[in-house]
Amino acid sequence: QIQLLQSGAAVKKPGASVKVSCKASGYTFTAYAMHWVRQAPGQRPEWMGWSNAGNGKTEYSQKFQGRVTITRDTSATTAYMELSSLRSEDMAVYYCARARGGSGSYPFDYWGQGTLVTVSS
Amino acid sequence: EIVLTQSPGTLSLSPGERATLSCRASQSVSNSFLAWYQQKPGQAPRLLIYGASGRATGIPDRFSGSGSGTDFTLTISRLEPADFAVYYCQQYGSSPRTFGQGTKVEIK
Repeated sequence: QIQLLQSGAAVKKPGASVKVSCKASGYTFTAYAMHWVRQAPGQRPEWMGWSNAGNGKTEYSQKFQGRVTITRDTSATTAYMELSSLRSEDMAVYYCARARGGSGSYPFDYWGQGTLVTVSS
Repeated sequence: EIVLTQSPGTLSLSPGERATLSCRASQSVSNSFLAWYQQKPGQAPRLLIYGASGRATGIPDRFSGSGSGTDFTLTISRLEPADFAVYYCQQYGSSPRTFGQGTKVEIK
């Protein structure tokens, strides 16, 4: 069965960086794009960016441009999202979400369990 | 950026009743690339509908989607206890992908 298993919760200080991993299994990793979405408590999901798992091409939301980096390790079938210069407003649950296709415009059909990132001094 | 506005904010209904949720876009959603997700507390969103009207794998036929352009609707024909949750629409046709603010379907 298709699974996306994310790394555990993280507590970071303001100004630090966090890197969340997403281990994919049950499907051909290089055939599907991977997106990253975050959700603050009581808020709507917020899209951060995506990576074409086949060629590594990335696209980021302008809101996070310069602070977010999405990468992947095809041999480990794992995707990563790193967010730098953390501030209190970045406290949220971060999700990886598989796109229903390899690139371009597809909905998100499988989601990781979420990783809670807390930013506190 | 396409802004999605959902209505109503909260829908109070009883099991067995019909639920009609609305999602309006600030500009036309290309190719009807509009999805609906269900989210329960402490869980990730779950894809229900894609392409405005296509049901995702394993989704029961009491869930249906319709619409095009800027106006979209999710209908749950007969609510079951498991359907009480928050529902989000999302457009995935242009960047940034955006979500609506959600409609909570609660038990009356």
